[in-house]
Formats: sequence, structure tokens, C-alpha cells
Amino acid sequence: AQSVAQPEDQVNVAEGNPLTVKCTYSVSGNPYLFWYVQYPNRGLQFLLKYITGDNLVKGSYGFEAEFNKSQTSFHLKKPSALVSDSALYFCAVRVSYGQNFVFGPGTRLSVLP
Amino acid sequence: DADVTQTPRNRITKTGKRIMLECSQTKGHDRMYWYRQDPGLGLRLIYYSFDVKDINKGEISDGYSVSRQAQAKFSLSLESAIPNQTALYFCATSMTSYNEQFFGPGTRLTVL
Repeated sequence: AQSVAQPEDQVNVAEGNPLTVKCTYSVSGNPYLFWYVQYPNRGLQFLLKYITGDNLVKGSYGFEAEFNKSQTSFHLKKPSALVSDSALYFCAVRVSYGQNFVFGPGTRLSVLP
Repeated sequence: DADVTQTPRNRITKTGKRIMLECSQTKGHDRMYWYRQDPGLGLRLIYYSFDVKDINKGEISDGYSVSRQAQAKFSLSLESAIPNQTALYFCATSMTSYNEQFFGPGTRLTVL
């Protein structure tokens, strides 16, 4: 069965500092990996995805993520955090032969001014 | 988010009542999904539909039913609501099973 772990419930970072939100996955096939962000009282918004190709994926709002097959990780990163980045972040995975996504439990990011 | 709409946005009901949550999309996607979100559990799939005639159970379908009235409309029903169905419900669409999903704004359901 496929699963996604986000080991940190909460990440705090100062504005202007780099941020990392961690995601590890477990699948038995080739993974398709996604990051979504949820702002208060809103639905999830797509940030970026890894399907194949370069391990470093760039997405919306200056975010990027690095796919590491040996460590089965797909960490979300941003070089310089903004207060407006404060939100709930979800990692999701599906396998190439699977029908649906599995979402992680979410990580709440707080960027402090 | 305006491409995927959900009604109602908030609903409070009593145990045993029948509730319908509606989802409409203007993205022209064939695939539609219903999820529930509970704190600390992420999103869990309730039902999904790949076209009007193809409806499938997800991870937590017990106590729920769905109807795909048209390509653009996908409704979720709770036949007899119970308090542990109190949650935030999201509808989503995607172009294919390999593409990102587009989410509606959610319906906050409280069952007393």
C-alpha cells in the first residue's frame, strides 16, 4: 500500500530565512509526487509536482522540491520565506498504476515576521 | 477555485438527517472526487468518478453515497448523518489521473 509521511506537524521559520517542509513516501511502483497548500477557509491549491525527469522541480510562488529516490523523500523548499507563506502544506503521492492519490497529514508552516 | 464550486459552504444538522453536498465544475474535467478532511489526518478519499457512468468507492465510503448527474456535477449524500461525520468536505477535479487536482472551497459540516 502507498503511504505518505510528513514528520513535522508544525514548522516555524523567520521571515527571510530558508524553509523546508519534509515529506517521505512509501510506494511499490514509480511515484508521482505533489505538493498542495491550503490557506484558511480555502480549498487546496496545487504548488508543484514530480512525474519524471529532473529531480529538482520548481513550482508556484517561488517554491521548489527535490525528489530523492534513494531516501524516498520529496521535501518542499523555498530560499526566502514570506509571512504570507504561512499555511497548511500537504504532500500527496500516487503510483503510476494506481488510481488515486494518498495525502499526508499536513504540516502547518508559520513564518514569523 | 471559482472553477470548482461547492454548496452549501457551511451546514449544521442533527443526527439521523439526510444531507446532500453539491459540487459543480466548469473545468471540463471528467474526473471528480470527494474527500473529507479531519485535523491531523489529511485528506481521505470517499468516492471518485472517472465519468458519468463510472463511480468508485474510496478509502472511507461507508455511510456515504454519491451521484454523478452530469460531467459537471457530482453530489455527496449522507443518508443518515452521525456526529463522527463532522468534518470539512472537499470536492476536486482533474483532467487525468496523472494530473494535479483542483479543489473546491470546501463544505464545513457539523452533525449534532
